[in-house]
Amino acid sequence: QQQVKQSPQSLIVQKGGISIINCAYENTAFDYFPWYQQFPGKGPALLIAIRPDVSEKKEGRFTISFNKSAKQFSLHIMDSQPGDSATYFCAASWTLSSGSARQLTFGSGTQLTVLP
Amino acid sequence: KAGVTQTPRYLIKTRGQQVTLSCSPISGHRSVSWYQQTPGQGLQFLFEYFSETQRNKGNFPGRFSGRQFSNSRSEMNVSTLELGDSALYLCASSSPPRERQETQYFGPGTRLLVL
Repeated sequence: QQQVKQSPQSLIVQKGGISIINCAYENTAFDYFPWYQQFPGKGPALLIAIRPDVSEKKEGRFTISFNKSAKQFSLHIMDSQPGDSATYFCAASWTLSSGSARQLTFGSGTQLTVLP
Repeated sequence: KAGVTQTPRYLIKTRGQQVTLSCSPISGHRSVSWYQQTPGQGLQFLFEYFSETQRNKGNFPGRFSGRQFSNSRSEMNVSTLELGDSALYLCASSSPPRERQETQYFGPGTRLLVL
């Protein structure tokens, strides 16, 4: 019930195309869903995050779509660029207690390659 | 503001040895979490410290331990190293949830190789 399932494992898109990565979860207690981007040799960096009280959140070329009833959420990268080539992780967490940092449960990651 | 720093960046140890990794959080951040990243298991939560107290622990054996100092710097220790402990160990810091801000900022990690 703690698992977050992510697909696809790898994704290749042409420059200017749309990249779509999907995640599904089981634990209905999850109430925070961030996406992280990781480049080789670097730690993950927060890209965008959403709470289940909204169905979509957009920041620049990045959009999260959230379907609470289906327990699924996805990341859309519009106008994908070669610089977007990285590994993307979805994650989920729930409120542990007042003042406590969130324990993130990560998906398995998607290796995105954007061809020039 | 300086980011999360981790030392050392790379480490090679042999089975049976112990290792200590260090993490300095972003200035003002009081919560430090540790994660293990491997190709097979992905990113897994180890533990979280806040104000020198461990508040949350993942599903790892007791060989994995940590502590936090009064300046919020944290160390994690792995005793009796096994080959399977080879991984990238990531530290993340965050400030206490305020106005629903809960971003965890990750450091570059320490790459541990156990031979």
